[in-house]
Amino acid sequence: SQTIHQWPATLVQPVGSPLSLECTVEGTSNPNLYWYRQAAGRGLQLLFYSVGIGQISSEVPQNLSASRPQDRQFILSSKKLLLSDSGFYLCAWNRGGTGNTIYFGEGSWLTVV
Amino acid sequence: AQSVTQLGSHVSVSEGALVLLRCNYSSSVPPYLFWYVQYPNQGLQLLLKYTSAATLVKGINGFEAEFKKSETSFHLTKPSAHMSDAAEYFCAVSRGSQGNLIFGKGTKLSVKP
Repeated sequence: SQTIHQWPATLVQPVGSPLSLECTVEGTSNPNLYWYRQAAGRGLQLLFYSVGIGQISSEVPQNLSASRPQDRQFILSSKKLLLSDSGFYLCAWNRGGTGNTIYFGEGSWLTVV
Repeated sequence: AQSVTQLGSHVSVSEGALVLLRCNYSSSVPPYLFWYVQYPNQGLQLLLKYTSAATLVKGINGFEAEFKKSETSFHLTKPSAHMSDAAEYFCAVSRGSQGNLIFGKGTKLSVKP
């Protein structure tokens, strides 16, 4: 069966520091991968998605970036965090194509102080 | 373009009462529709999914949803609320052939004893 893991689960970072959140999927190949952010009262905001290695689409301009160095690995990064980057970050995957269920990781809480 | 509107950011019911969470969608193509549940500090979990096979869809934990094309609705119901149903619920619609989903802003369900 397929599993998805992301880490770290919680982190507190000072403004201006770098960020790296990692996500891996097991039990499938060539998945679509996603990073979402969830801020209080704002629902789920899609940040990035990837349909293959090195293929990244950005949905929202910001100081975050994403990379997909391997087929089942997705990394969310920032060189300098802002206070507004605080939130709950969710990695997710599905198989490509119309209407396929998206499966979510456990989430990572980021607090920028 | 596809979109989802969830009516009511907070819904409160008594234990044993009917749960009704509202979702209306907009889609230029026949939609795939989803309901997800999120418990505190966790990722999202699929409750149920509409794929045009049947208009009444049964999901996990006693939830079901009915697709009504004439009303562009996909409301989530459960006949009798349980304390463990307290969570946030998200409606989502598929976004064309890309495999991505567009989420509503969520409805937080509280269950009173």
